[in-house]
Amino acid sequence: GAVVSQHPSWVICKSGTSVKIECRSLDFQATTMFWYRQFPKQSLMLMATSNEGSKATYEQGVEKDKFLINHASLTLSTLTVTSAHPEDSSFYICSANTGGTFEQYFGPGTRLTVT
Amino acid sequence: DAKTTQPTSMDCAEGRAANLPCNHSTISGNEYVYWYRQIHSQGPQYIIHGLKNNETNEMASLIITEDRKSSTLILPHATLRDTAVYYCIVRVGGSARQLTFGSGTQLTVLP
Repeated sequence: GAVVSQHPSWVICKSGTSVKIECRSLDFQATTMFWYRQFPKQSLMLMATSNEGSKATYEQGVEKDKFLINHASLTLSTLTVTSAHPEDSSFYICSANTGGTFEQYFGPGTRLTVT
Repeated sequence: DAKTTQPTSMDCAEGRAANLPCNHSTISGNEYVYWYRQIHSQGPQYIIHGLKNNETNEMASLIITEDRKSSTLILPHATLRDTAVYYCIVRVGGSARQLTFGSGTQLTVLP
């Protein structure tokens, strides 16, 4: 099946710094990628939808200036958490679709801890 | 997307079939039933989907009632590695739209 990778798998950063998370589709081209966030013992919540070559669409309540998304190619989308704070600590997961299929493929997730 | 209702948790003995129910009484005619699962601290994994016919693949079977208001995911021979949160999601077909995750069912496979 299609494989999606994320890097890094975990990261610890200090409050006020920025962190970039990469999401790559390894063996297919992804026209659309999705970014989700998951807090402990909660379900996944969609943050934004990323389309290659265009601006991301953010869900209500998600600050677009804080969570910068770039989908510069058909195999790579990045999420940058700017000026991170402890409340941004979470599990960030991306997914991608192959277009024309029903299933979405998820990355393994990135655990962000802000101290 | 139609709302779904799943039990919070279920246990199953290893080697036995695990039957996970999902209610989706407000499903529309063009909405599919999808099942994903999430093993602890990993990204979700696609399992199966269906519209109105029963479906089977190498992972599981999906049984959808004739009125489509409920469905059951069947793992025929559960193993310890099937312990995960299972999400039933109902939405219009195609993968170019986001998935809306509910709280899911925590399935624990017991040795």
